[in-house]
Amino acid sequence: GENVEQHPSTLSVQEGDSAVIKCTYSDSASNYFPWYKQELGKGPQLIIDIRSNVGEKKDQRIAVTLNKTAKHFSLHITETQPEDSAVYFCAAKRATDSWGKFQFGAGTQVVVTP
Amino acid sequence: KAGVTQTPRYLIKTRGQQVTLSCSPISGHRSVSWYQQTPGQGLQFLFEYFSETQRNKGNFPGRFSGRQFSNSRSEMNVSTLELGDSALYLCASTLRRAGRDYEQYFGPGTRLTVT
Repeated sequence: GENVEQHPSTLSVQEGDSAVIKCTYSDSASNYFPWYKQELGKGPQLIIDIRSNVGEKKDQRIAVTLNKTAKHFSLHITETQPEDSAVYFCAAKRATDSWGKFQFGAGTQVVVTP
Repeated sequence: KAGVTQTPRYLIKTRGQQVTLSCSPISGHRSVSWYQQTPGQGLQFLFEYFSETQRNKGNFPGRFSGRQFSNSRSEMNVSTLELGDSALYLCASTLRRAGRDYEQYFGPGTRLTVT
């Protein structure tokens, strides 16, 4: 089955700096890669996603890049703000799996200090 | 549009008991998935239901079961609770959009504590 590894497990950045989280996946059949943000006491919230036929996608201060050959994808947050502090999860979905089955990384605790 | 709702939000049970958690997906979403979230294991897929049928199941013992009703609401049941079942149980509903993207929306979770 699919295995997703996520690094780092914790990330501390100064407000205004950039944050980068990296994930690798094992199954070349995976073709959809979402990122989620989970704040304390809440469920994960989808923040950006990318399909395997796209190399990069941006949405304001966040971007995701995908390297299919190396089987890794990354989340980039620019100009970080205190409200970006949360746990971020990457996930991968295989084309052959049912709609709702995703494999998640272990999560990255991001702390943005003013 | 209302999001995914889960009840109850918090639950304390004793070892050996059973528990039932409930989830109402976003209106119009037919796919409902359940995940177990723990600090050590992250989010682990339990199972998925679509139109009242289980479509996929993760690597969990048979004590974990679920069902889905005709209105897409879903329940999961854990029998003979063990201490290790203490976790946040997340429900998600998934919508498939044009272009084959799968948008998964999570509820706030049910925090289960087994003592």
